[in-house]
Amino acid sequence: GAVVSQHPSRVICKSGTSVKIECRSLDFQATTMFWYRQFPKQSLMLMATSNEGSKATYEQGVEKDKFLINHASLTLSTLTVTSAHPEDSSFYICSASQTGFTEAFFGQGTRLTVV
Amino acid sequence: QKEVEQNSGPLSVPEGAIASLNCTYSDRGSQSFFWYRQYSGKSPELIMSIYSNGDKEDGRFTAQLNKASQYVSLLIRDSQPSDSATYLCAVRGNSGNTPLVFGKGTRLSVIA
Repeated sequence: GAVVSQHPSRVICKSGTSVKIECRSLDFQATTMFWYRQFPKQSLMLMATSNEGSKATYEQGVEKDKFLINHASLTLSTLTVTSAHPEDSSFYICSASQTGFTEAFFGQGTRLTVV
Repeated sequence: QKEVEQNSGPLSVPEGAIASLNCTYSDRGSQSFFWYRQYSGKSPELIMSIYSNGDKEDGRFTAQLNKASQYVSLLIRDSQPSDSATYLCAVRGNSGNTPLVFGKGTRLSVIA
């Protein structure tokens, strides 16, 4: 299967600071990237969908000014959590798809802890 | 609203037995169906994909799809302790540009 690389795998930051998470498709062109968040013992909740070169589409209840998504190239998307607070602590996972293919490939996930 | 329903479990089976996981979905327009396995603290890993009615077998895994009943299942034969994980059912429209909709997952525990 295709490879999606997500970094960092773990990050601890202070409340009020910003954190950037990178998601790269290594061997295919990711026309669409999806960002999910997962709280303990919960399922994956879609935060936003981004198409290369376009603004991201955010799900209801997700603050677009807090969770900045950039998908400037076909191989890289970033999620920046701005002014992070302890309630933002979660497992963030990216997923990438290519036009014409129905499968989605997941990154390794990023465990964010805000202290 | 598109919904995917799964029993949360936990489902406990003895080693060597067959584990049966079930999933229903609400959107009749769904075209692609997936089963993912997720270990604690890890990202989901694709186990099976199925697109047409009937059975699809891959090693110890068999996925079954019934679009009329809006039902997807996963059978795991000869269950092993290493199969203990949460299994996520996911559905999608017919485009790579639409997101997967996940169920809440079923926790499977295989007892040695």
